[in-house]
Amino acid sequence: GENVEQHPSTLSVQEGDSAVIKCTYSDSASNYFPWYKQELGKRPQLIIDIRSNVGEKKDQRIAVTLNKTAKHFSLHITETQPEDSAVYFCASRAGGFKTIFGAGTRLFVKA
Amino acid sequence: GAVVSQHPSRVICKSGTSVKIECRSLDFQATTMFWYRQFPKQSLMLMATSNEGSKATYEQGVEKDKFLINHASLTLSTLTVTSAHPEDSSFYICSASEDRGRGGYTFGSGTRLTVV
Repeated sequence: GENVEQHPSTLSVQEGDSAVIKCTYSDSASNYFPWYKQELGKRPQLIIDIRSNVGEKKDQRIAVTLNKTAKHFSLHITETQPEDSAVYFCASRAGGFKTIFGAGTRLFVKA
Repeated sequence: GAVVSQHPSRVICKSGTSVKIECRSLDFQATTMFWYRQFPKQSLMLMATSNEGSKATYEQGVEKDKFLINHASLTLSTLTVTSAHPEDSSFYICSASEDRGRGGYTFGSGTRLTVV
């Protein structure tokens, strides 16, 4: 069945450094790739998304890249801040509504 | 922006009883809502897709008689955990999209269920 692999499971960076989280999807029909941030005890929040007709998208300190050939997509956070500490989930969706989530990456930003 | 309200946020129940969780889209209509289960420090596992006016679609391994889903209106879906057992203790969270599924989903605040 459909599968999304996410790495690393835990990532610790120094404040100001960049953080990169990578995901791989299996369903070649996937055309929508959202990223969610979940702070402890709170609901996941959509932070950025990318569609299959775009290779890169940026929103301030956050950027996402997509390589359809390799079925890879990545989240890049620059100039990390302590408030970026959270669990980040990648996800993919094919033509229907069903969204498959990665296992999550726990990001720690050390001040 | 889209708001999804989920209630209750926390519930403790005794083994063998049933618990109903509500998920409401407050400012948009959602023909489809999703129910997820999340174990501590783990990802969101899709349990079922709730379709307004029709039967829910359950993921493999999810007992439909155990987790009853009703989506009677365009703004409300309910998940009832029947004959709850301690192993049903988990964080249940719903989501919906205002963009007819073309965009990202808004999540409810989640319900932490503890079965004692």
